[in-house]
Amino acid sequence: EAQVTQNPRYLITVTGKKLTVTCSQNMNHEYMSWYRQDPGLGLRQIYYSMNVEVTDKGDVPEGYKVSRKEKRNFPLILESPSPNQTSLYFCASSLGSGDTQYFGPGTRLTVL
Amino acid sequence: QQPVQSPQAVILREGEDAVINCSSSKALYSVHWYRQKHGEAPVFLMILLKGGEQKGHEKISASFNEKKQQSSLYLTASQLSYSGTYFCGTEPQSGNNRLAFGKGNQVVVIP
Repeated sequence: EAQVTQNPRYLITVTGKKLTVTCSQNMNHEYMSWYRQDPGLGLRQIYYSMNVEVTDKGDVPEGYKVSRKEKRNFPLILESPSPNQTSLYFCASSLGSGDTQYFGPGTRLTVL
Repeated sequence: QQPVQSPQAVILREGEDAVINCSSSKALYSVHWYRQKHGEAPVFLMILLKGGEQKGHEKISASFNEKKQQSSLYLTASQLSYSGTYFCGTEPQSGNNRLAFGKGNQVVVIP
């Protein structure tokens, strides 16, 4: 089944404790993105990647890191999480420009 | 650069029609529409490309006015399953697949 998977689905952590949210797709897609969703603000892009080893900042990259060492994986790293990073995070992938973005199930992160 | 969606919320009865809109200040390559149910991931509805091509998976229609950089999604003969928040994502003319999403249109269909 073609899908985007994220882990963990739920995470409660404390300020400053490094964490990684994994994202994997099995559709051989070139493009991958990370979004955060906050009430009333819609989906805001954090980082995106157009191919292996090619990543770039989105609209809200501060406090986040990503890597794209393999085509299928695009982990999101929070080196020192803070409470304002409490949010619902979505990973998405697509074949290319003008193509459907497929979203993962989401990761609800709470930073205390 | 976030597109503007209107109206913010719509309440309609089953069987009624509604139009929701998405407007951008930038020249666009494509407009994507997604629907999200509470607590779930956004689900693809439709893509409209510059030049008029449309790609969709459901019986929902949409239009894309390239000159005005506006798109409208038409919910015809609405069903209860149409309830949710609709997001438009706009892709700039560079075509880098970097979508900017609006804040969403909340649609509630009541029996």
